[in-house]
Amino acid sequence: EDQVTQSPEALRLQEGESSSLNCSYTVSGLRGLFWYRQDPGKGPEFLFTLYSAGEEKEKERLKATLTKKESFLHITAPKPEDSATYLCAVRGGYNKLIFGAGTRLAVHP
Amino acid sequence: EAQVTQNPRYLITVTGKKLTVTCSQNMNHEYMSWYRQDPGLGLRQIYYSMNVEVTDKGDVPEGYKVSRKEKRNFPLILESPSPNQTSLYFCASCPSLRANEKLFFGSGTQLSVL
Repeated sequence: EDQVTQSPEALRLQEGESSSLNCSYTVSGLRGLFWYRQDPGKGPEFLFTLYSAGEEKEKERLKATLTKKESFLHITAPKPEDSATYLCAVRGGYNKLIFGAGTRLAVHP
Repeated sequence: EAQVTQNPRYLITVTGKKLTVTCSQNMNHEYMSWYRQDPGLGLRQIYYSMNVEVTDKGDVPEGYKVSRKEKRNFPLILESPSPNQTSLYFCASCPSLRANEKLFFGSGTQLSVL
């Protein structure tokens, strides 16, 4: 069964303290892995798409990487405005999109 | 501005009283979908539509109906809401599922069924 697991559930960081969020997946025929950011009271907003193992994408303080079993979202020197829930989703061979439960990130000054 | 618009943002109702949550997109997208988001469970797909007059069940379709009579609109209908349908609902769209495009989400509808 296709599955996406994100860890940790919640993460608290001090401003400037770098860390990584994990997204582990099992899917038959990965067609794409997506990262979204969700602010309280809003819908998810797209961050990255990764297609194959070894691929990396960067945007400001965020960098997403992909292996055959997991993806990491690295946050370098985070700021309070990076506080949000980060969602991972995978699309498999049946074109179905499966979301993880998310990681709630809080960055304190 | 390109956007997905859901209404209402908040809705409190009672068991059994039919309701409709509207969703409209102004980007001429073919694909539209409804999700519900519950703590610890992530986003789960209710129904989706590949194009006008083409709809199909997602993972949790029980108790919901949809229709796609126009390309821009994809309403979610709860014929007889029950308390287990209390949740945060999101509508989403993308140009085409075949192209593996990113999803654009609405701002959500928080539904409480008493």
